[in-house]
Amino acid sequence: NAGVTQTPKFQVLKTGQSMTLQCAQDMNHEYMSWYRQDPGMGLRLIHYSVGAGITDQGEVPNGYNVSRSTTEDFPLRLLSAAPSQTSVYFCASSPSGQGRGKNIQYFGAGTRLSVL
Amino acid sequence: DAKTTQPPSMDCAEGRAANLPCNHSTISGNEYVYWYRQIHSQGPQYIIHGLKNNETNEMASLIITEDRKSSTLILPHATLRDTAVYYCIVRVNYGQNFVFGPGTRLSVLP
Repeated sequence: NAGVTQTPKFQVLKTGQSMTLQCAQDMNHEYMSWYRQDPGMGLRLIHYSVGAGITDQGEVPNGYNVSRSTTEDFPLRLLSAAPSQTSVYFCASSPSGQGRGKNIQYFGAGTRLSVL
Repeated sequence: DAKTTQPPSMDCAEGRAANLPCNHSTISGNEYVYWYRQIHSQGPQYIIHGLKNNETNEMASLIITEDRKSSTLILPHATLRDTAVYYCIVRVNYGQNFVFGPGTRLSVLP
């Protein structure tokens, strides 16, 4: 059982380049999310999805796009990379619904992105 | 929004209990308290959560005050591998996503 898998682990981009960060989960979770973490800070929510075909913005969505065509995959696209997007990106998933145990998020190992 | 306040850093001797406090005075009646930790920039790892009763699992114990305005995470016998940033989270926003604060950096000392 792999859990939440993120690829690549490391990436260096030049300003203006685009790329897609991949996230896949094998737990059949409805909810998936993308966070970014800047040095010395907590995680901030970029985008999230409550199920296939449904996405919404989080706290810091500008410069990022997402789509959710399957339950398993939730890619994050950087349209035109900027140095301010240098960060560590974490994908997370959780079961749907409320109640005890339903809101536990499981995180991937992260993608470390540098934009020069 | 319910907010949390945690000390920025704490030290603990190896083998001793680590008690990490969290204040959440604006928590609402149906909001759970969650604890996660992040070891050396890895993905956050779930530890424990609770609503109003004390909870224990194989990793830790969670003590929530009767008025639910504060809680304490207890690592009963801290090891060097418990050195990490510990996040107390009570706010579920944007669907059911967490709002992370800066957390407490716990250093377990030999």
